[in-house]
Amino acid sequence: DAKTTQPPSMDCAEGRAANLPCNHSTISGNEYVYWYRQIHSQGPQYIIHGLKNNETNEMASLIITEDRKSSTLILPHATLRDTAVYYCIVRPYNFGNEKLTFGTGTRLTIIP
Amino acid sequence: DAGVIQSPRHEVTEMGQEVTLRCKPISGHDYLFWYRQTMMRGLELLIYFNNNVPIDDSGMPEDRFSAKMPNASFSTLKIQPSEPRDSAVYFCASRTGLTTDTQYFGPGTRLTVL
Repeated sequence: DAKTTQPPSMDCAEGRAANLPCNHSTISGNEYVYWYRQIHSQGPQYIIHGLKNNETNEMASLIITEDRKSSTLILPHATLRDTAVYYCIVRPYNFGNEKLTFGTGTRLTIIP
Repeated sequence: DAGVIQSPRHEVTEMGQEVTLRCKPISGHDYLFWYRQTMMRGLELLIYFNNNVPIDDSGMPEDRFSAKMPNASFSTLKIQPSEPRDSAVYFCASRTGLTTDTQYFGPGTRLTVL
């Protein structure tokens, strides 16, 4: 599995955009970038995923660099409920590669 | 949809006892996954099923752990005998058969073995 590197922790003021970076310099051409988050005492929650184009949904935006070696998850207007550990994961999309390898993630704290 | 359902939410048992964790995946999902989360090792995949058949159990720590999926709507993870080092939060997740689909996690079972 390609490995990802994320900062261990970040703070963001409530109402501001939270930008969470992720490096995945060894990503392969058939691997997607997934983002999950885990709020304290809950199961991981899917946020968004993408292959090479930027993606946006109701929760967040995902910006993937042209060389695909890094990406940024953007929470446009962070709220206190966004305080969580955010995981960046790469996974091949071909059949048989089902494992999601969760690293240590980034602990995001939203400050009032 | 109610999402992935796990029971019990909390389990406290004594060393040597048998523990059974239960999971009901989201209806229509073809894949079911069991994970374990500890402070030391983070979130680890233990085993996963496709259409009720175990596909990869390489993450199962030892023979004391076993998992079954008798039908599409139910799975169990059993630990026999349990040990204090098995204390962790156990998550079940499921997803559809689409290769690019994501996994949806349940709320977890917090297991404490005394």
